[in-house]
Amino acid sequence: KAGVTQTPRYLIKTRGQQVTLSCSPISGHRSVSWYQQTPGQGLQFLFEYFSETQRNKGNFPGRFSGRQFSNSRSEMNVSTLELGDSALYLCASSWDTFLEQYFGPGTRLTVT
Amino acid sequence: GNSVTQMEGPVTLSEEAFLTINCTYTATGYPSLFWYVQYPGEGLQLLLKATKADDKGSNKGFEATYRKETTSFHLEKGSVQVSDSAVYFCALSDPTGANSKLTFGKGITLSVRP
Repeated sequence: KAGVTQTPRYLIKTRGQQVTLSCSPISGHRSVSWYQQTPGQGLQFLFEYFSETQRNKGNFPGRFSGRQFSNSRSEMNVSTLELGDSALYLCASSWDTFLEQYFGPGTRLTVT
Repeated sequence: GNSVTQMEGPVTLSEEAFLTINCTYTATGYPSLFWYVQYPGEGLQLLLKATKADDKGSNKGFEATYRKETTSFHLEKGSVQVSDSAVYFCALSDPTGANSKLTFGKGITLSVRP
């Protein structure tokens, strides 16, 4: 079974630009969650989508948004990038709640 | 709110040494508990899990027991290898079951020297 895939793996953007990251979950998984990982803040939950609906949202500004498609693939978008948005963005999928989540390799975003 | 506290790191051990990484949690209700491992340049891999009190999760020689009375989920391994060098994260699920959010500890870096 193929794992969680994320594209692109690396991105370099300039302040003020916007970026879209993509995540393809494990086949059959309905839940996709996004996390931001930084050395200072560690792993922070961004949001979760389940069957195309946002089920939960973390404490991030409205510049961070996401969506999920009918095939469970998900995208997250960050508008008006700031230097502090530089991070590893991880996507995770699971079949449902209380169950283990499987993580992708992440997208390394660098904002200059 | 829910939270996870991990012991401060980093931890450096010699090969074949005994490993304990402490993890305690605060949650309202009964979350599932997880240990994830992250190797350099990679995403997180699930190492083991426990879904209810007194459950013991185990994998690749690692073990952790869900202790409700002490709200702990300490990770142990009897004999570490160089290949175990990585960052280890303790995490808990949303106790309400309303969503899949994981709350993570800060992680601890383990280095094992030959």
